[in-house]
Amino acid sequence: AQKVTQVQTEISVVEKEDVTLDCVYETRDTTYYLFWYKQPPSGELVFLIRRNSFDEQNEISGRYSWNFQKSTSSFNFTITASQVVDSAVYFCALSEAWGQNFVFGPGTRLSVLP
Amino acid sequence: NAGVTQTPKFQVLKTGQSMTLQCAQDMNHEYMSWYRQDPGMGLRLIHYSVGAGITDQGEVPNGYNVSRSTTEDFPLRLLSAAPSQTSVYFCAGTPGLATLVYEQFFGPGTRLTVL
Repeated sequence: AQKVTQVQTEISVVEKEDVTLDCVYETRDTTYYLFWYKQPPSGELVFLIRRNSFDEQNEISGRYSWNFQKSTSSFNFTITASQVVDSAVYFCALSEAWGQNFVFGPGTRLSVLP
Repeated sequence: NAGVTQTPKFQVLKTGQSMTLQCAQDMNHEYMSWYRQDPGMGLRLIHYSVGAGITDQGEVPNGYNVSRSTTEDFPLRLLSAAPSQTSVYFCAGTPGLATLVYEQFFGPGTRLTVL
């Protein structure tokens, strides 16, 4: 069975600090996909990134970066120079090949204080 | 939300009532899913569909039915509402194999309270 664990339940940082959200997953599939979603206080779920199991390249998008390590089954998310607008619940998720049968982690609530 | 709509946004039911949460998409998403979100538990999959006429159970299917007679619509039916079904419900669509886009795009959610 697939499982996603998000190590931190809540994190609180001061604006401009860097913060890393940890995600550890379990799967028996050889082909799978990993995702990060953001849920701001308004409640909608916003897709951030998808990573394929066969592509271990790290990715950077502005202040966001993702580190995928198959050897440790981890897919960590770092926000550099955090801002108040980054305050949200962040979910890590895992799916089987072709995007079926998503499993979400319990979420990490990030609070960025001014 | 990549073309996924949900109605209603809010609903209050009494125990034992039935109702249908509507979900529609206009982006030809191949896969569709229903989740419930409860505090501290993330999103849990209720039912999903990999195409018109094909549905399957997720992690928490009891008390819910779905159907997918068309690609566009994926309604979720509560057969006899219970207070344990108080939650926020999200519908999601995934473009799928035809487009090689596998991320899910979520509707705005329905907040359901069962008294």
